[in-house]
Formats: sequence, C-alpha cells, structure tokens
Amino acid sequence: GDSVTQMEGPVTLSEEAFLTINCTYTATGYPSLFWYVQYPGEGLQLLLKATKADDKGSNKGFEATYRKETTSFHLEKGSVQVSDSAVYFCALSAKAGGTSYGKLTFGQGTILTVHP
Amino acid sequence: DAGITQSPRHKVTETGTPVTLRCHQTENHRYMYWYRQDPGHGLRLIHYSYGVKDTDKGEVSDGYSVSRSKTEDFLLTLESATSSQTSVYFCAISENPAGGLNEQFFGPGTRLTVL
Repeated sequence: GDSVTQMEGPVTLSEEAFLTINCTYTATGYPSLFWYVQYPGEGLQLLLKATKADDKGSNKGFEATYRKETTSFHLEKGSVQVSDSAVYFCALSAKAGGTSYGKLTFGQGTILTVHP
Repeated sequence: DAGITQSPRHKVTETGTPVTLRCHQTENHRYMYWYRQDPGHGLRLIHYSYGVKDTDKGEVSDGYSVSRSKTEDFLLTLESATSSQTSVYFCAISENPAGGLNEQFFGPGTRLTVL
C-alpha cells in the first residue's frame, strides 16, 4: 500500500538557518503530494502541494519539488523564523479510483523548533 | 479559512461509555473525513463520507461508526470507548478529490481522553 516516510525529528535550528525536512513516498501511479503544517493547539493547514513530476510547490518561503525518480518531496526553507516552529507533515493522495479514493496518507510528522 | 468546526473541543470520558463527536462545515463540500492523530503515527483515516448517507471505512475503523444525514454534519461515534481511543480527532473536508489533487481542509480538532 501507499506510505510516506519523513526524517526523524525533532529538528532544532537557530533563526535564519537553512531548513530541510526529508520526505520519501511509496505509491502506485502518480500521486499528488502535500506538506501540511500544524501550529501548537491547532488543526493542520495546507502549506504547499504538487500534482505531477518536477512540479515545485511554494508558499511562505517554503519550497518542495516533486521528484519522481527519487520518489521524494523534501521541504526546504532558506531562512527559518521562530514563528515557523510547528509540526510538519508530508502526505500523498493517490489518484481517484478504487479503495484509495479521497484518502490522504500521512508521514509521522517532524517537530521543528526554531530558537532566536 | 475553511468553515469547519468540531465539538466538543475537549472531552474526558470513562471506559465503556458511548461518545459522539461532531464536525460541522459551512463550505458545502461533498467529502468529509475523520482522522485520529497519535504520536509516531501521523494522522490515520477512520472513516470518510462521499455524500449524504454515503460513508466508507478507513484504515482504523474498528470501534467507530459514522453518520451523515446532512451535507454539513458528519458525526463520529465511539460505541464503547476504550483507553486506546484516547487521541486527538480531526475532521477534514474536500470539495472534489477527483483527479487526485484532493486538497483537504482540517478542523481544529477534538482532544478525547478515555479513563
């Protein structure tokens, strides 16, 4: 079945440091890929998305590129801020059809803490 | 922000009691989902609905049932709560996952503790 693997956390950085959170996936066909962010005490918010190979999703300074050859969707940000402290989830959605219709498969989440 | 509310936001209950969680949306989205979030597991799908009175099981559906009598409301019921169902429960909605984009919008969550 489909699966998503994220790098082990937690990740602790100083403000203005470079961030990479690795995400690899296993899926049949050509899934859509997502990064969601969860701030303390809140629900998940969509951060960025990509629907096909070589697509780059970007939002709020974060970027991720859909790499089909390496089945990866790594999240990057050039200069993190204290306000970026949150839990980040990588997820995939298989194309409609069969029993996976509408289902998101999530990674286990990576806790990011940014210090001033 | 998508108009999704969950109630209650926090609940403590005892083992063996029935519990119902409510998800309400004002977006008129067809698809609704219930997930549970546990440390080390990310989010896992419990049940989902693809229309009024149309529901199906997710990967962790044992011990849970759902109902959807109106587009805007999706209820999750724990028939006889157990300590293993202590978790944070999230509702999500999606307008139309056809084509695989399936962007989902999440509610604020319900923290359930079963003693």
